[in-house]
Amino acid sequence: AQRVTQPEKLLSVFKGAPVELKCNYSYSGSPELFWYVQYSRQRLQLLLRHISRESIKGFTADLNKGETSFHLKKPFAQEEDSAMYYCALLNQAGTALIFGKGTTLSVSS
Amino acid sequence: NAGVTQTPKFRVLKTGQSMTLLCAQDMNHEYMYWYRQDPGMGLRLIHYSVGEGTTAKGEVPDGYNVSRLKKQNFLLGLESAAPSQTSVYFCATDGLAGGQTGIINEQFFGPGTRLTVL
Repeated sequence: AQRVTQPEKLLSVFKGAPVELKCNYSYSGSPELFWYVQYSRQRLQLLLRHISRESIKGFTADLNKGETSFHLKKPFAQEEDSAMYYCALLNQAGTALIFGKGTTLSVSS
Repeated sequence: NAGVTQTPKFRVLKTGQSMTLLCAQDMNHEYMYWYRQDPGMGLRLIHYSVGEGTTAKGEVPDGYNVSRLKKQNFLLGLESAAPSQTSVYFCATDGLAGGQTGIINEQFFGPGTRLTVL
């Protein structure tokens, strides 16, 4: 079965603290994974994808096949990082994304 | 370029009424999707289309129909609305620019339609 699990509905941290948003997946073969973000009153947008191995807005995510995880990390959270974050998995057919239930990140000063 | 637009932005229906949500894109993308977003449930795929004239079921297709008569438009229909269909509906597109076929696996989302069924 293809599935994405985001175990935390809400993650609250203080400004400057490290952030880790958890994502676990179930997939046969080599997965393609993504993080999407939805800031308040903005459209959902791609944050990063694992094949690019990039860092966007200070966020990184490493694919760990052994733990079937793709956690999103940032060493020092900023208030503007407050948003809803979705982890997504490309389906086996390569035609659609399977989204997790999302985690709301709240960063306060 | 407008990107991905959705019409209407808000709508209130009574149980049993019908309506159509319109998604329009000027990105010349092949792939289009309809999702619903509910608290605690995340984004769930309703239907999608990999090209003009084609549609496919997603995770939660019951109670909805879709049509893709033109490449730039993807319609989502509710024939007989139910309170369980109260949600925020998002359209998204994916594809290569310049009219090339294929997918880039970056979805571009519309602003959403907030639907309430009483």
